[in-house]
Amino acid sequence: TQLLEQSPQFLSIQEGENLTVYCNSSSVFSSLQWYRQEPGEGPVLLVTVVTGGEVKKLKRLTFQFGDARKDSSLHITAAQPGDTGLYLCAGRYNFNKFYFGSGTKLNVKP
Amino acid sequence: NAGVMQNPRHLVRRRGQEARLRCSPMKGHSHVYWYRQLPEEGLKFMVYLQKENIIDESGMPKERFSAEFPKEGPSILRIQQVVRGDSAAYFCASSRTGDNQPQHFGDGTRLSIL
Repeated sequence: TQLLEQSPQFLSIQEGENLTVYCNSSSVFSSLQWYRQEPGEGPVLLVTVVTGGEVKKLKRLTFQFGDARKDSSLHITAAQPGDTGLYLCAGRYNFNKFYFGSGTKLNVKP
Repeated sequence: NAGVMQNPRHLVRRRGQEARLRCSPMKGHSHVYWYRQLPEEGLKFMVYLQKENIIDESGMPKERFSAEFPKEGPSILRIQQVVRGDSAAYFCASSRTGDNQPQHFGDGTRLSIL
């Protein structure tokens, strides 16, 4: 059973397009993190959201934590080839244990 | 490089051998986490350790797998009598404390079992 469901699993778009990636759960998390992972490397932390309804912006990336702290979204505006990678959400469930979603593999074509 | 250091980056073992994976946390970090990742999948939590203590090992198989984080030196994930199904990327992360602190990841050890 996957605690965190990410959708879509795969996304291939043209440079300049916008996209949204979703992370959903039936469980409540005390915080949620988004990571980006490139082949052969470890995940790199993009953002941590803690408060229900919280919105954080990181240049062209906008992260939102659902009001009930069960879901989150990542929106990328005007995607660039450098955004290509595996995007992972991770929910903090108890103490300091994180559950990861299975990821969204994004490919941005020039 | 003050990041999380994992070695080796690649490890090849034959079935039945032992695999030892090492992780040196970031400077000032005393909490270490091990995760396993299969191709095209997310990371699966295995174990959470503080110096000399295992805090949570609920994600680690009961047999053949063990982990330690001694007072001095790196954290070690040990897999005894490896089988083909142990082939995966094993990632280590560290955090400064356990109180909702972000986890910073190393670049992983890719374990291949022949």
